[in-house]
Amino acid sequence: DSGVTQTPKHLITATGQRVTLRCSPRSGDLSVYWYQQSLDQGLQFLIQYYNGEERAKGNILERFSAQQFPDLHSELNLSSLELGDSALYFCASSVAGRDFQETQYFGPGTRLLVL
Amino acid sequence: ELKVEQNPLFLSMQEGKNYTIYCNYSTTSDRLYWYRQDPGKSLESLFVLLSNGAVKQEGRLMASLDTKARLSTLHITAAVHDLSATYFCAVGKTLWNNNNDMRFGAGTRLTVKP
Repeated sequence: DSGVTQTPKHLITATGQRVTLRCSPRSGDLSVYWYQQSLDQGLQFLIQYYNGEERAKGNILERFSAQQFPDLHSELNLSSLELGDSALYFCASSVAGRDFQETQYFGPGTRLLVL
Repeated sequence: ELKVEQNPLFLSMQEGKNYTIYCNYSTTSDRLYWYRQDPGKSLESLFVLLSNGAVKQEGRLMASLDTKARLSTLHITAAVHDLSATYFCAVGKTLWNNNNDMRFGAGTRLTVKP
């Protein structure tokens, strides 16, 4: 158990809908990272937050957004969902945000299915 | 464009044997990562390599980085069944606008047979 929690574990929704995925980092970790893993596109880094501020962006679509709250949990919002958004979404956390040099601890993931 | 090529994609090994997984990338980068993923499970960070010549070892796994050749290797020594998993390398680069270009390899599915 990495200490990172994600909810929900599974999510089934329809095209055009909006969902929110939640991540709670390990106690004391300030950075949260979001990743997407799909059959089509493999693993992709989406975005990083550090202590409430956006730190780095990767391949995140404009329909997707994220935020990190004062208690350091993070939410990833996916809107106008398309079939291709079906994937596993992982979050990870690390102690600080030193330019991705630290070990990241991954949550169990949220499996999203868009029908 | 940063591209990452990992090979082999599938690897079946006998217990006790040694083998190497290769990770090539196309442009200069700031860091290289190795991850492990068990079937149906999440990712586990194995190594972060930051500089040319960096070598890190954990148990039967050793990772190295040659930035001049744009190549990282993950060497498996005396494989055991517990090492069966998919191994991913990833290459990262901080861009001028502070965005992070990070690309993953396709993964190497390793099966260790008795």
